[in-house]
Amino acid sequence: DTGVSQNPRHKITKRGQNVTFRCDPISEHNRLYWYRQTLGQGPEFLTYFQNEAQLEKSRLLSDRFSAERPKGSFSTLEIQRTEQGDSAMYLCAFSVEQGTEAFFGQGTRLTVV
Amino acid sequence: AQSVTQPDIHITVSEGASLELRCNYSYGATPYLFWYVQSPGQGLQLLLKYFSGDTLVQGIKGFEAEFKRSQSSFNLRKPSVHWSDAAEYFCALFTGGGNKLTFGTGTQLKVEL
Repeated sequence: DTGVSQNPRHKITKRGQNVTFRCDPISEHNRLYWYRQTLGQGPEFLTYFQNEAQLEKSRLLSDRFSAERPKGSFSTLEIQRTEQGDSAMYLCAFSVEQGTEAFFGQGTRLTVV
Repeated sequence: AQSVTQPDIHITVSEGASLELRCNYSYGATPYLFWYVQSPGQGLQLLLKYFSGDTLVQGIKGFEAEFKRSQSSFNLRKPSVHWSDAAEYFCALFTGGGNKLTFGTGTQLKVEL
């Protein structure tokens, strides 16, 4: 148990459709991160929240991507007009506070066909 | 530029043999370093971390890692590998003010029985 639940675990969608993923930390944590991992690569940072504020976005996060963390608890990541290049594992992670390690969820595997 | 390099893409060892996975980093300040393990289709599990202090850190599952500033390395070791250790291993580094992680490309470990 990593303390982070991600849903769905797998998603297959047609190109051009919108998808939304959800990340639920078991308890409230200060910082929440989203990463993307493509096959054969390490995870790459997308964005992070401190409480409900989105403090940093990677240039990987095109304007088709949007993330929210209402009330500083769960978070959602939406991809609009999906492309085949969006196929990847999307990982959510949290840390308790600045300078502490991050714990990852099981991820959501997205396949765009 | 801040980066993590894992020179070995694949490593195969026999069960019971010792293991060393290499990690080199590039970072201008004191690094915060991590090793994570990922089983197929799963999220990442933290094995160990180095923040400061003793350069030899102990982790879970019998793993340890040694920080060598002069070599910019943080190699992961295990004295005797078990078949269940077969997985992908990622070295990572805190970068930026938000403590986001920069990962290496990973080393795939295969254990021969």
